[in-house]
Amino acid sequence: SQQGEEDPQALSIQEGENATMNCSYKTSINNLQWYRQNSGRGLVHLILIRSNEREKHSGRLRVTLDTSKKSSSLLITASRAADTASYFCATENNAGNMLTFGGGTRLMVKP
Amino acid sequence: ETGVTQSPTHLIKTRGQQVTLRCSSQSGHNTVSWYQQALGQGPQFIFQYYREEENGRGNFPPRFSGLQFPNYSSELNVNALELDDSALYLCASSPTGGAIETQYFGPGTRLLVL
Repeated sequence: SQQGEEDPQALSIQEGENATMNCSYKTSINNLQWYRQNSGRGLVHLILIRSNEREKHSGRLRVTLDTSKKSSSLLITASRAADTASYFCATENNAGNMLTFGGGTRLMVKP
Repeated sequence: ETGVTQSPTHLIKTRGQQVTLRCSSQSGHNTVSWYQQALGQGPQFIFQYYREEENGRGNFPPRFSGLQFPNYSSELNVNALELDDSALYLCASSPTGGAIETQYFGPGTRLLVL
């Protein structure tokens, strides 16, 4: 079973627009991570936000975490065609020995 | 490139057979995790190994087993293959001594069970 649920499941935008993806989870966590996957290949780690953090930035990425609502969002600003991929949130349990992924958001950025 | 390699890249087996998948961790990483990713879904955590011991396990039956070697390379073994075992199998290594934190994924092994 997957703890995280991403919303939307699919998103299509024009180059230059912003893309926002949301993630909800069910149990307490140590941290929440976002990953990117191109065409069924290996995942690439994008950003990690700890349970005591509320917002984090990395380049064009902005992640927020609301532990009271058990939700997170990933914002990609000024999107590019190369951002086309599937994006997954993943929650690490408190013991730090298990990572649970959501079902992913498939993002398409049209040039 | 993450420095994590997996072999083979593709594999076809028949139901009931056994399979061994291999993973070579990034240099200096002593923690490895394995995931199963069915088509169109997110990865599901199978188990984690730290210092050659299983350190966490997801909801997978015992016919999924693993090994981690002193050089931190790893194997995933699946016995009595079922059609639903067809998936992309990913391994990921991390340097954080038993905690997952930031992981570095390999390209995966795509297994097809007929």
